[in-house]
Amino acid sequence: KQEVTQIPAALSVPEGENLVLNCSFTDSAIYNLQWFRQDPGKGLTSLLLIQSSQREQTSGRLNASLDKSSGRSTLYIAASQPGDSATYLCAAPSNTGNQFYFGTGTSLTVIP
Amino acid sequence: KAGVTQTPRYLIKTRGQQVTLSCSPISGHRSVSWYQQTPGQGLQFLFEYFSETQRNKGNFPGRFSGRQFSNSRSEMNVSTLELGDSALYLCASSLASDGTDTIYFGEGSWLTVV
Repeated sequence: KQEVTQIPAALSVPEGENLVLNCSFTDSAIYNLQWFRQDPGKGLTSLLLIQSSQREQTSGRLNASLDKSSGRSTLYIAASQPGDSATYLCAAPSNTGNQFYFGTGTSLTVIP
Repeated sequence: KAGVTQTPRYLIKTRGQQVTLSCSPISGHRSVSWYQQTPGQGLQFLFEYFSETQRNKGNFPGRFSGRQFSNSRSEMNVSTLELGDSALYLCASSLASDGTDTIYFGEGSWLTVV
């Protein structure tokens, strides 16, 4: 069974700082890895999908990397803003692809 | 285009009652999956449907059931509610059911059992 871990559980940074969120997974035979953002009381918003053949994926100030051999993915947020404050979750699909395993998330607070 | 729509958004039920939650996927998406989110357990997979067939089920008791209709809309039902069923129930849809596409989530249904 795939296990997904996110460290740290919480992170607080001043506005403007660059930061990295970490995601580890145990089964490297994954199709892809997805990053999501969740605001309090809301559903999940998809941020980035990295296919297993890719090493990086970028969207605006976000850059996600995937290293299957080490079982790691990182989400890099450049020039953080208070509006980036949210919980960030990563998810890896099962080997059948019809189920996703989620990490417990990193709660990010960007201080103005 | 419209996103994933879940109804109702909030509901309060009493122990022993049953509840039905509804999910309308993004137009054209045939895969619908359900997750339970609680502070202690995080996001836990409930089940996944594709073309009206349940293809996978998580480790939940038989009180949790679901179905998908021909228009891809899905419902999940929880019978004999327990206090521990209080959670945010999230529905997600995707084009494919093989894990290769982005999954899109609805805003969720907040269930409180008293």
